Amino acid sequence: DADVTQTPRNRITKTGKRIMLECSQTKGHDRMYWYRQDPGLGLRLIYYSFDVKDINKGEISDGYSVSRQAQAKFSLSLESAIPNQTALYFCATSDPKTGGTDTQYFGPGTRLTVL
Amino acid sequence: AQTVTQSQPEMSVQEAETVTLSCTYDTSENNYYLFWYKQPPSRQMILVIRQEAYKQQNATENRFSVNFQKAAKSFSLKISDSQLGDTAMYFCAFMKHGNNDMRFGAGTRLTVKP
Repeated sequence: DADVTQTPRNRITKTGKRIMLECSQTKGHDRMYWYRQDPGLGLRLIYYSFDVKDINKGEISDGYSVSRQAQAKFSLSLESAIPNQTALYFCATSDPKTGGTDTQYFGPGTRLTVL
Repeated sequence: AQTVTQSQPEMSVQEAETVTLSCTYDTSENNYYLFWYKQPPSRQMILVIRQEAYKQQNATENRFSVNFQKAAKSFSLKISDSQLGDTAMYFCAFMKHGNNDMRFGAGTRLTVKP
């Protein structure tokens, strides 16, 4: 389903360029996350946000920044892209009030290539 | 820090057969959650099943079930009556209660053969 959307779905850019990846959700969840996926490494958390005024660094936040513009929108920025940031990026949302386990639901991913 | 290990990089199974994917994790916590996610070629991450550590009963979702062994820190996924659409990468994930930094294993690539 399209509860969590990411734009763009694919992006090729050059070293040194500023890139913004956007995530929107219609699930009404308070919590949002950004992950990157590299081959053989699974997913790793970059940043997460529990509400508009709460932003937290994840396991691999260096080289990235985020903005929580509204409950439904969470953007990831690469201020000066470098080739080792080439990866698949996922946005996710969760809400501990639903189901109790705070399960995370993922968007379709953005494939970013930095040349 | 919590780590999640999936020791089988690739597996295959014949259609209609049963397959078990392994996952072990390392933690000193007592209250946590475990998940299996599926990533088909479309690359969408899809929740397959979840387990709360405080529950002794193994979670089941249709053809998918887990064998949760808390003392052994093991969380395997059993897929019964495998279907071609089950072909995907499967990721095991761990999340401590109250901490949303979910940790993923490296994944197991499952191929269901006709």
